[in-house]
Amino acid sequence: GENVEQHPSTLSVQEGDSAVIKCTYSDSASNYFPWYKQELGKRPQLIIDIRSNVGEKKDQRIAVTLNKTAKHFSLHITETQPEDSAVYFCAAKGSYIPTFGRGTSLIVHP
Amino acid sequence: EAQVTQNPRYLITVTGKKLTVTCSQNMNHEYMSWYRQDPGLGLRQIYYSMNVEVTDKGDVPEGYKVSRKEKRNFPLILESPSPNQTSLYFCASSLTAGDSPLHFGNGTRLTVT
Repeated sequence: GENVEQHPSTLSVQEGDSAVIKCTYSDSASNYFPWYKQELGKRPQLIIDIRSNVGEKKDQRIAVTLNKTAKHFSLHITETQPEDSAVYFCAAKGSYIPTFGRGTSLIVHP
Repeated sequence: EAQVTQNPRYLITVTGKKLTVTCSQNMNHEYMSWYRQDPGLGLRQIYYSMNVEVTDKGDVPEGYKVSRKEKRNFPLILESPSPNQTSLYFCASSLTAGDSPLHFGNGTRLTVT
């Protein structure tokens, strides 16, 4: 089955800095890569996703890049703000079942 | 409002006492699933359902049961809960099993003593 590795497990940045979270996957058949944000005590919510026919996607301060050859994808957050502090999960979806990374706790210091 | 509704939000029970966590979605989604979230382990899938009357095991199905008699409902059943099932549980649904995002419920925090 699919295996998704996510790094780092914890990321601490100063407000205004950029943050990058990286994920690798094992199943070359995976074709959908969503990212979820989970604020403390709340449910995970989709923030951005990318499909295998696209190399990069942006939404304001958030971008995701995908390298299918190397089987890795990354989340980029620019100009971080304290409200970006949360746990971020990547996922890879191939046949039917999405597989999640173990999450990255992002801490943005004011 | 489109949503996934889980109940209860908090549940404290004792070992061996059967319980059910309900999950309902109003978005006509085909795919539904249950996850448990434990510190350092992320989201692990318990069971999933591709459509009515179709269910299958995820990564950690031991000690759990599910059913999908109607499209909107996907209850999680613990026949004989044990302390190692103390966790935060999320129900989620998506339009299809393919490239559509998951919508999560608000979670159920279960404590088994």
